[in-house]
Formats: sequence, C-alpha cells, structure tokens
Amino acid sequence: KAGVTQTPRYLIKTRGQQVTLSCSPISGHRSVSWYQQTPGQGLQFLFEYFSETQRNKGNFPGRFSGRQFSNSRSEMNVSTLELGDSALYLCASSRTENYGYTFGSGTRLTVV
Amino acid sequence: GDSVTQMEGPVTLSEEAFLTINCTYTATGYPSLFWYVQYPGEGLQLLLKATKADDKGSNKGFEATYRKETTSFHLEKGSVQVSDSAVYFCALSDRQGNNRLAFGKGNQVVVIP
Repeated sequence: KAGVTQTPRYLIKTRGQQVTLSCSPISGHRSVSWYQQTPGQGLQFLFEYFSETQRNKGNFPGRFSGRQFSNSRSEMNVSTLELGDSALYLCASSRTENYGYTFGSGTRLTVV
Repeated sequence: GDSVTQMEGPVTLSEEAFLTINCTYTATGYPSLFWYVQYPGEGLQLLLKATKADDKGSNKGFEATYRKETTSFHLEKGSVQVSDSAVYFCALSDRQGNNRLAFGKGNQVVVIP
C-alpha cells in the first residue's frame, strides 16, 4: 500500500517569500502531523490535524500554518521565510496515537 | 512537559558487536514509546513500539522493553550489520489527547566492517 507522500522533495526559497508543502497520508489515516527537523533543535512538533481540524499545535510562530482537506491530505504554509526556517519538514500520518506514526520522506527547504 | 533523553554522542562499533542505545523519558500518565530509524536522505521509519509497562517491542533483531520503574526504553541488538548504520530516535506519545511525538536528540550509529 502507498506510504505517506510529501511534495516537493526539495525547495529553495528566498527570505521573505512564502512556501506551501503538501502531504498525502496513508489511505484510512485521518490524523496528519507535521514536524520540523534541524541539526540544532532536532525534531520538533509543528501541528496535528484530524478530520480537517487542528487538534494540537507546537511552539512555533504564527508564520507557520496548516490545513487539512476532506480527503485527509494536508498542507503547511510558512510565510515571510527566514534563514532559520531552513530544515527538513516531515509529515506523519496515523490511525491513533497508539498505533504508531508513518512518516514521509520529507521536504528539504532551503532559505537563501 | 513530556521529554525524552538519549545518551550523548555517536556510537561507533564493529560488525557483529552488541548495540545498546539508552533512552529515558519523563511523562505524566502512561505514554506509548517508540524507536524510529532514519537513513541518510530519508524520513523516519518506525522500528518498534511498546504501549504499556513491561511490553517488549521487537523488529529486525532490535528489541526494547518498556520499563516503568526506571522510565526507560533502551534499544538493543545482539549483532549489528553495516546496514544498521543510521540515526536512531527514541520517542513518546503521551496518549492524553495530545497526538504528538516528543523525540530524543537521536544517536548516529556507525557500524564498521
């Protein structure tokens, strides 16, 4: 069965621009979470969506936002990009928290 | 808040050696515990999990036991291979309605032939 699909794999953006990343979860998974991975801060939780509603949010500024569509696909948006936003952005989907989370391969965002 | 602590620094060992990566956690309630592995240029893969005290998760020769009394979930493998070279992350989910993972910093494992 298909895994979690993230697009694009790589992005290069300029400071001040905005970016939208996409995530298609495994079929039947209604929960989609986003994480930011950097060498300095490690893996940090951004937000989680379930049935088109944001259920949890991490400690990130309002420039980071997301949404989930009725087919469970999710997007995250980062506005007014800063150099420090350069990171690997990972999406994960799950049925329940106890079941385990399946991660996509990530989108590597570079801000120049 | 909930947190996970992994031992500092990379781990370098020879093929067929015994691997241990320590993981301890702090959480209210009874979290679910996970080990994830990340190969270069890829996302995270779930390696094993345990959802209650004394559960043992196992997969591909790796094992970890949920120890509530020591709040630990150490990862072990009896005989590593070069293909086990990767970064290993310990994580917890608090199951208190917060469907999020808290990760440790990760350990780079390098297996030398």
